[in-house]
Amino acid sequence: GIQVEQSPPDLILQEGANSTLRCNFSDSVNNLQWFHQNPWGQLINLFYIPSGTKQNGRLSATTVATERYSLLYISSSQTTDSGVYFCAVRATGGGNKLTFGTGTQLKVEL
Amino acid sequence: DAMVIQNPRYQVTQFGKPVTLSCSQTLNHNVMYWYQQKSSQAPKLLFHYYDKDFNNEADTPDNFQSRRPNTSFCFLDIRSPGLGDAAMYLCATSRDSSYQPQHFGDGTRLSIL
Repeated sequence: GIQVEQSPPDLILQEGANSTLRCNFSDSVNNLQWFHQNPWGQLINLFYIPSGTKQNGRLSATTVATERYSLLYISSSQTTDSGVYFCAVRATGGGNKLTFGTGTQLKVEL
Repeated sequence: DAMVIQNPRYQVTQFGKPVTLSCSQTLNHNVMYWYQQKSSQAPKLLFHYYDKDFNNEADTPDNFQSRRPNTSFCFLDIRSPGLGDAAMYLCATSRDSSYQPQHFGDGTRLSIL
């Protein structure tokens, strides 16, 4: 099956710093989503981005499907950004299964 | 307003005692999914319904069953919970199975005594 790797696995930032999270996948995809899982376990949908670039406030994402990676940018980080960031993909021809990446654990400190 | 609603948020059951988790949606989506997420791991798909068609993942244990009585509701039944079934259970929906994002509920955290 498709492999999804995220980097870095852990990240500590000072409030106000910027960061880039990366998601690499091993096969072509027709669905890619970025999620933020908060400390209470809620999985918040950030972006649906199988290709191209999108922005939402301090967050933006870019997927280069032909090169099999996606990037999530967080600018001016806040303590409420802490949690785990997952990318999840559906492989082309892979049915309905959304395969999640390994996650990036982010902690934003004052 | 919540569009994918899971009840309860926290569930405690005894070892071997059947338990049912529920999910409802107001989106009128065709597809409903159940994921299991163990501590410090990524969510993993257990099964999904496309309308009334049930699709089980190959490695989902037989102990896990699901029911979808109508478009809005889907249930996860664990027939004889073991300690290893303690996890967060996430329900998701999508409009159909291709090129559509999945929308997740807040999850039910299941503990086994």
